Amino acid sequence: DQQVKQNSPSLSVQEGRISILNCDYTNSMFDYFLWYKKYPAEGPTFLISISSIKDKNEDGRFTVFLNKSAKHLSLHIVPSQPGDSAVYFCAGDTGRRALTFGSGTRLQVQP
Amino acid sequence: DTAVSQTPKYLVTQMGNDKSIKCEQNLGHDTMYWYKQDSKKFLKIMFSYNNKELIINETVPNRFSPKSPDKAHLNLHINSLELGDSAVYFCASSHRQVNQPQHFGDGTRLSIL
Repeated sequence: DQQVKQNSPSLSVQEGRISILNCDYTNSMFDYFLWYKKYPAEGPTFLISISSIKDKNEDGRFTVFLNKSAKHLSLHIVPSQPGDSAVYFCAGDTGRRALTFGSGTRLQVQP
Repeated sequence: DTAVSQTPKYLVTQMGNDKSIKCEQNLGHDTMYWYKQDSKKFLKIMFSYNNKELIINETVPNRFSPKSPDKAHLNLHINSLELGDSAVYFCASSHRQVNQPQHFGDGTRLSIL
């Protein structure tokens, strides 16, 4: 039972353009969502999060949008840079402090 | 100045052996976790400890035993290793308060021969 789904295994964008990574969830008990970035042979690095009482959170080039009625969140990266090339995971937390992760989306930013 | 460090990074061993993975965090967090990344790349929670007390145990075989000597350390001991235990194991830590992100180590790749 996949409670967090990232339906796009990969995404390729040009440097300077916007990257939009999507995530859908089924568990209505999630009240906190996070995005992580992962390089090969490294651990996930926390990027940005959003509480379920908000619909947008911004940090520099990264913005996360939450649509609770659609059970959908997205991560926007503007402008995209080659160093952003990595696997991006979204995760949900019900408050138990046990994150439920999606399967990841591999982002490739072309110079 | 590594925040969450795990050792070893790679572990290759025979089926049936017992092995341990160590984890230490210097972030001053009071909660630590173990996650397993399986062959399909999903990261799944195994255990979490808060101030040395077990608070989450997610249907993990009892061959896996976490040990927390203090709140900065959470080690994972695995008995009688099986082929299906091959995976990457990640340690993480966070503050216990709600809406606090978890910070991960670089993982330990366990390969069972």
